[in-house]
Amino acid sequence: EPEVTQTPSHQVTQMGQEVILRCVPISNHLYFYWYRQILGQKVEFLVSFYNNEISEKSEIFDDQFSVERPDGSNFTLKIRSTKLEDSAMYFCASSGQGVDGYTFGSGTRLTVV
Amino acid sequence: GENVEQHPSTLSVQEGDSAVIKCTYSDSASNYFPWYKQELGKGPQLIIDIRSNVGEKKDQRIAVTLNKTAKHFSLHITETQPEDSAVYFCAANDYKLSFGAGTTVTVRA
Repeated sequence: EPEVTQTPSHQVTQMGQEVILRCVPISNHLYFYWYRQILGQKVEFLVSFYNNEISEKSEIFDDQFSVERPDGSNFTLKIRSTKLEDSAMYFCASSGQGVDGYTFGSGTRLTVV
Repeated sequence: GENVEQHPSTLSVQEGDSAVIKCTYSDSASNYFPWYKQELGKGPQLIIDIRSNVGEKKDQRIAVTLNKTAKHFSLHITETQPEDSAVYFCAANDYKLSFGAGTTVTVRA
């Protein structure tokens, strides 16, 4: 069964440092998403990406965040200057047409110290 | 935007009994309602979903019902087993997924 792959599985970074979280969506999918889950809380939408541009973003997705699809397979989330409160699980997801095949990756646990 | 409420937050059932989790949503434009199971350290795994043109869907021991008029939908797990223990999330889609807060289900052997 096709999978969404995320790397690394765990990232520890110093406050103020930049981090890049990587995702390989399912190959024929068209829509790409990042979600965040702070420990013990609900999964929160960050951003959606379609046709090489952001289609929607939440209030959480401020100027410190950016997304990029640098080639035909990778989809990245960059946090420019990490804060302690950025510590969370970050999930990438992709889907085909609309919500068809909406699939989540296993997540990257980001710990900011 | 969409607001999804989920109840209960925790649910403990005896093995073999049924478990029911309920969600409400606010945006009548939402048309897709998935349920996810999340085990420790893993991403949400889709277990069943329902679209707005269907009132009920069943897959073996799992069923979902949708009442669009009342804007609520429910997950039913019958004949629960210890491996059903996990956190379950409902979600509603109005383009992006809006998640409920989750229900921690514990199945007692």
